[in-house]
Amino acid sequence: GESVGLHLPTLSVQEGDNSIINCAYSNSASDYFIWYKQESGKGPQFIIDIRSNMDKRQGQRVTVLLNKTVKHLSLQIAATQPGDSAVYFCAENTFKAAGNKLTFGGGTRVLVKP
Amino acid sequence: EAGVAQSPRYKIIEKRQSVAFWCNPISGHATLYWYQQILGQGPKLLIQFQNNGVVDDSQLPKDRFSAERLKGVDSTLKIQPAKLEDSAVYLCASSRSDRALGYTFGSGTRLTVV
Repeated sequence: GESVGLHLPTLSVQEGDNSIINCAYSNSASDYFIWYKQESGKGPQFIIDIRSNMDKRQGQRVTVLLNKTVKHLSLQIAATQPGDSAVYFCAENTFKAAGNKLTFGGGTRVLVKP
Repeated sequence: EAGVAQSPRYKIIEKRQSVAFWCNPISGHATLYWYQQILGQGPKLLIQFQNNGVVDDSQLPKDRFSAERLKGVDSTLKIQPAKLEDSAVYLCASSRSDRALGYTFGSGTRLTVV
């Protein structure tokens, strides 16, 4: 989940198809992993989280998969809609004595084609 | 509930000038965060407050950045003097506690330093 500077990886997907967004994380001690959606001109919006002792969690049209062996996280969006066009970030959350520490990875831009 | 309010939405300043950003978190949220998001990158934590106390400011460039949350509600982030590399979106987020997941972000202030 390292930054890629100005050139975000882009996923172009046809409306109605499924989308899969991938993320590599670095901290094995993270307690939760969270996916955020960021639309242009807005702050990140919470989508779904997964605890580190789980490998799959489903929400409404979204599924997150966690593979701790290879430190890989993915977000699957079913039946992608135009409103899903945004930049998606994965984030690692670690509980510390002083409170949560949330670290964002690099983003992936999703473009939904009509 | 009302979201996290930030102002101004946009600011353009010359290098070496000073600038201040304001954040009003969601009512009742004890924890407040300031993030810096450079174009094309994920947000990076600058400072975290729990009520009016600083929990984590390890990534705040203290020679030029300062932040306060005097009454444990609103917060201001100041940059003095600004550098070109400070051009970014400054995001404020809040959560009910320092253990809560899924922070609520404001829409941010886009700063351009020329």
